[in-house]
Order: sequence, then structure tokens, then C-alpha cells
Amino acid sequence: EVQLVESGGGLVQPGRSLRLACTASGFTFGDYAMSWVRQAPGKGLEWVGFIRSKVYGGTTEYAASVKGRFTISRDDSKSIAYLQMNSLKTEDTAVYYCSRAFYDTSGYYFDYWGQGSLVTVSS
Amino acid sequence: DIQMTQSPSTLSASVGDRVTITCRASQSISSWLAWYQQKPGKAPKLLIYKASSLESGVPSRFSGSGSGTEFTLTISTLQPDDFATYYCQHYNSYPWTFGRGTKVEIK
Repeated sequence: EVQLVESGGGLVQPGRSLRLACTASGFTFGDYAMSWVRQAPGKGLEWVGFIRSKVYGGTTEYAASVKGRFTISRDDSKSIAYLQMNSLKTEDTAVYYCSRAFYDTSGYYFDYWGQGSLVTVSS
Repeated sequence: DIQMTQSPSTLSASVGDRVTITCRASQSISSWLAWYQQKPGKAPKLLIYKASSLESGVPSRFSGSGSGTEFTLTISTLQPDDFATYYCQHYNSYPWTFGRGTKVEIK
């Protein structure tokens, strides 16, 4: 059974940093791209970024709203994907979901999701 | 960026109704569209990918259609478990974007 479990969320002051982790099980982690999607309280879904599998270079893509502040990385030996968030802003307050990104010729969709981790940015 | 516009934003329906949700892309995305269902306090769940392919394990009352810029998600016979919010998402090019969601409420 595929499982994704996020950890590391919490309350953080504006301008500070936080790192989320997504621990995967039930599939060969290294074979898949992984993505982060967030949802501000009472709002819709916003794609944050993703990291390709090592077979496809392990490279990353980001939404403009987080580019230069957030970094996604992966440790295939531990089956963990990370979201490093720097220079946090109040508007980054959201539930952050980790998802497995399934490759479909042109791009990726999200076939499995974690339960989410709440990040609150406030002084 | 490609904008995804969903309509309606809210839909009131009864168990047994046929429900259709529309998603329009601001430019052609071929068939690179997915649909998700989200219940309050829960993670989204994949229903449809590549516009019309049903994800494994998803009931056959869900179907997707369309290509280019106009897409629909249809629930043929609404069940009590289907009251939720539905999102479309394109994956034609970066950045991938979601529609703003359609909440299906009990009438």
C-alpha cells in the first residue's frame, strides 16, 4: 500500500525557515517524481514544485510564488522528499501536501497524496 | 501561465442526480487534465487523468471528457459519498495549475 507521511510543520515567524519531510513507503521511491501542493485555509489547491526521479536527472521545477525561497530535494536511500522553505511569509500559511507525481507523456499528475502538514507563518 | 476556470463554483444536487462540472483552460492543453475529489480535512484523491482515463479503484459513475480547452467531469448517479469539492488540474506545461474548485452540496 502506498503511503506518504508529511512531518515538520508548525508555527514559524515571518522571515524564518522550516523544512518539511515526506516519508514514503509501499513503492520504489527512486522510480518516481515527487511534488508538493499547498492549500491555504479555506482556499483551493496550489502547486508548489516537484523533483524528478534520478533517471530524469533529479531536477526541480517551482511555482513563481516560491521560486528562489523554497527548495525540494530527495534522499532515495531513505525514501524521503524534503521541502526547505526559507524567507517565509504570512501568505505561505497553508497545509502542505506531499504527492507522488506520475509521468504521463507530457507532464505529471498526482496519484497519491499524504495527509498534509500545517505550516503557520505568524509573529 | 495557463488559467483553469471551473464552473459552477457551487452545485446543489440530490442523491441520484446526474452532475456535470466544467473546466476551461485559457489555452489548449490537449488532454493533459486531471480531476481530484477532496473532502473536508482530507487530502485530495485522484479520479481522472488524461481527461478521460478513470483511475484504478474509482467508481465507474465518474467520467471525464473533453480536449483542447473545454473539459467536463460527470457523476452519472450522485451518491451520498460524492458530496465534496472537485478540482481540475492541467499538466500541459509549467506551472501546473488547478481550478478554484466546485463544491457539490446536498440540495
